[in-house]
Amino acid sequence: GEDVEQSLFLSVREGDSSVINCTYTDSSSTYLYWYKQEPGAGLQLLTYIFSNMDMKQDQRLTVLLNKKDKHLSLRIADTQTGDSAIYFCAERTGGFKTIFGAGTRLFVKA
Amino acid sequence: EADIYQTPRYLVIGTGKKITLECSQTMGHDKMYWYQQDPGMELHLIHYSYGVNSTEKGDLSSESTVSRIRTEHFPLTLESARPSHTSQYLCASGDSLGETQYFGPGTRLLVL
Repeated sequence: GEDVEQSLFLSVREGDSSVINCTYTDSSSTYLYWYKQEPGAGLQLLTYIFSNMDMKQDQRLTVLLNKKDKHLSLRIADTQTGDSAIYFCAERTGGFKTIFGAGTRLFVKA
Repeated sequence: EADIYQTPRYLVIGTGKKITLECSQTMGHDKMYWYQQDPGMELHLIHYSYGVNSTEKGDLSSESTVSRIRTEHFPLTLESARPSHTSQYLCASGDSLGETQYFGPGTRLLVL
């Protein structure tokens, strides 16, 4: 079945780069997303990438997509304490459903 | 910037009460969604709508019901709240292509 998997936790030091990884199963996915959720809040769309792209960069965020391996990553450069949050990977499947991962909890140590 | 609103933000209520969680969006989106999320956990789709008078159940069975009488409004109702309904409820909307979902701030529900 359709599934999106992410590691549950990531801890980095302030100023370092963070890399959050995600794998998905539907090879006909059209869009892949990264959302950020701060405590007690809804999900905020950070960025998305079309399935025919390999990379997308937006300021401190870089998304890499490896379609062959169905692997998506989000790199946050110069990670700040304000980046501490849960990051959700999601895919828009060929069947027009959006499947969310369980979220990666990013802890940034000062 | 997405304009999607949820009220109330926080609700504490006794067992057996009827409650309605409100969700409104001003973007004219056709598609709207309700997710249930325990704190810090994954999202579970409980209801969705592809337009006025269209509602469907999601992947997670829920005792709640929804209605879509107007494009901008997608309320969720629990006829008789129970402690097992304690959770965060997130509403989202998407345009006719539905490629990207925009989320509201969520309603945190505690049933005593």
